[in-house]
Amino acid sequence: AQKVTQAQTEISVVEKEDVTLDCVYETRDTTYYLFWYKQPPSGELVFLIRRNSFDEQNEISGRYSWNFQKSTSSFNFTITASQVVDSAVYFCALSEDLYNFNKFYFGSGTKLNVKP
Amino acid sequence: NAGVTQTPKFRILKIGQSMTLQCAQDMNHNYMYWYRQDPGMGLKLIYYSVGAGITDKGEVPNGYNVSRSTTEDFPLRLELAAPSQTSVYFCASSYSKSEAFFGQGTRLTVV
Repeated sequence: AQKVTQAQTEISVVEKEDVTLDCVYETRDTTYYLFWYKQPPSGELVFLIRRNSFDEQNEISGRYSWNFQKSTSSFNFTITASQVVDSAVYFCALSEDLYNFNKFYFGSGTKLNVKP
Repeated sequence: NAGVTQTPKFRILKIGQSMTLQCAQDMNHNYMYWYRQDPGMGLKLIYYSVGAGITDKGEVPNGYNVSRSTTEDFPLRLELAAPSQTSVYFCASSYSKSEAFFGQGTRLTVV
């Protein structure tokens, strides 16, 4: 079974629309960490956010916001007023606290196309 | 601060050739990883290391080998390259409970 599921393979929106990228994870650990990365067309992986399992507060950073809900094992990412520069593949990832070692599990990614 | 440095950035190999992908980090991170990313897909863990002298297999280790003689370096060896190993390879490092810091990637084509 996949530990991280990103069911949306590809999403297309028009600039200025809001868009939410879904992430569902699976773990038996009580201590774990969740991440979002952005991979623009240039190919590098850009870290966006890290969340630990004890902090369920939502976070906002400019046009980006994240909604962490342990009850549904979800860590969704919303981009408000999307821009063409947001076009990228976005990956959600999970790491479990195994003897203090981070073993990262990545979802398959959601490709976001923002059209002008 | 260089972070995670991978070399080369691009490489074309012929079937059956061998090569080593280099990875170095200057952040004194204990943990290092090698991932591969096939076209349109997510990242799959090949090998990882929790410290110098300690390595272990990830999800897709077949056809690869690693070593970790120093904290800084984590080379990935491909023996007898096959077309199925055509991919983008990412090296990453982390410290306990941190995010993974990624290199720029190596695009490998096996023909």
